[in-house]
Parts: sequence; structure tokens; C-alpha cells
Amino acid sequence: GAVVSQHPSWVICKSGTSVKIECRSLDFQATTMFWYRQFPKQSLMLMATSNEGSKATYEQGVEKDKFLINHASLTLSTLTVTSAHPEDSSFYICSASKRASQYNSPLHFGNGTRLTVT
Amino acid sequence: SQQGEEDPQALSIQEGENATMNCSYKTSINNLQWYRQNSGRGLVHLILIRSNEREKHSGRLRVTLDTSKKSSSLLITASRAADTASYFCATDQGGAQKLVFGQGTRLTINP
Repeated sequence: GAVVSQHPSWVICKSGTSVKIECRSLDFQATTMFWYRQFPKQSLMLMATSNEGSKATYEQGVEKDKFLINHASLTLSTLTVTSAHPEDSSFYICSASKRASQYNSPLHFGNGTRLTVT
Repeated sequence: SQQGEEDPQALSIQEGENATMNCSYKTSINNLQWYRQNSGRGLVHLILIRSNEREKHSGRLRVTLDTSKKSSSLLITASRAADTASYFCATDQGGAQKLVFGQGTRLTINP
């Protein structure tokens, strides 16, 4: 199988603080990981594509200075929500693509992180 | 941007019945995928159908793809209470590795 572990599963933080979310591929190498955001009962919105060893590619409208992405190894990508505000409260999900995969391959998802900013 | 549109948005049926969900998209694709999401969890890949395929089966799942109409359907036969979840279609937008997800169908199976 292909397992993606996301941590923490939930976090509550105060407004103005920063929160780091980790996404790990446990049994495969992932040159590319994707970060999504999901509001209640809505679809997944792609935030950014995380590339190992290079800068992340952000989708239009996503503030790169607010949502810092680091993909320092083939098995770990992190998303840091800086200076969090209540409107950043959401469900964040990462996914990873196997290293050798072409575009006709499924993505493997973490279980998501529920962020609540008070 | 979200290019997939799914219908219905919500579907409630009795256990044992079949459930059909539809997905439409706008751009050319190399493949279309279906995922399942249990409440508060990540997504689980169900099935991938390539643009040159018209139908694919996996257990109780049957997926069709009509590229001329830019639409796909997911059929779950002999539904079970455990099938209760949200189901999303996703497309690759013509070769980009990133996926764009539809709005999803919330399926409820009543025992």
C-alpha cells in the first residue's frame, strides 16, 4: 500500500500564533505533495503543490507568506499557518504522489488536520 | 478552480439499493478518478478510469466515462450502511499531476 501520515489530526491555537502541520509518506518516496483545504460540507480546494527540494507552487489567491510550505525530504512536507486568524480555521489535507508515478496514478491522502483558531 | 460538478449533492437510499452519482467536467482530461471521504477523514481512492476507457469495474463499483459529454458516473451496487460517505470525482486537467475535485455527493445509506 501507500500510506500517508498527517499530524496532528486536530489542533486548537490562539489567534496570532503559528501552527505547523506535517505530512509524511511512510512507505514510498514522494517528490510531489499537495495541500488542500476543505470547508464543512464542501469540496477540496487545492492550496499548493509541494516539490521536494524546490519552492512550492501556490494556487491563485493563496498567500504564500501565510501558508509556508517546506518539502525538505522525499518523505516529508510541512505546512505552517503563520499568524493564524479565526478565518483560517478549516480542515487541511495533504496528499502525495509516488515518485515514479505518471499522471495516471491515484493520490494517497493523509487523514487531515482540523485547525481551530480561537 | 473546481471544474467538477456532481449531482446529486445529496442522496439517501435504503440499504441494498443501488446508488448512482454523476460528475461533469469542462476541460480535456487524461483520467478521471473517484474518491470517498468519511466524515472528518482524508480521502480514499476508489477507482481511476483513463480517457480511452468507457467503463471500469471494481467489486461493487462501476464507473463509466463519456468524454464526448465530459461526464462520468459512479454506481455502487447492493449498498451497505458502511458506504455512507461523501464521494468526489477528480480530474487531472489534461496531464497536470494535480487533481481538481468536484463538489461531491453526500451519500447516506439507511439500514
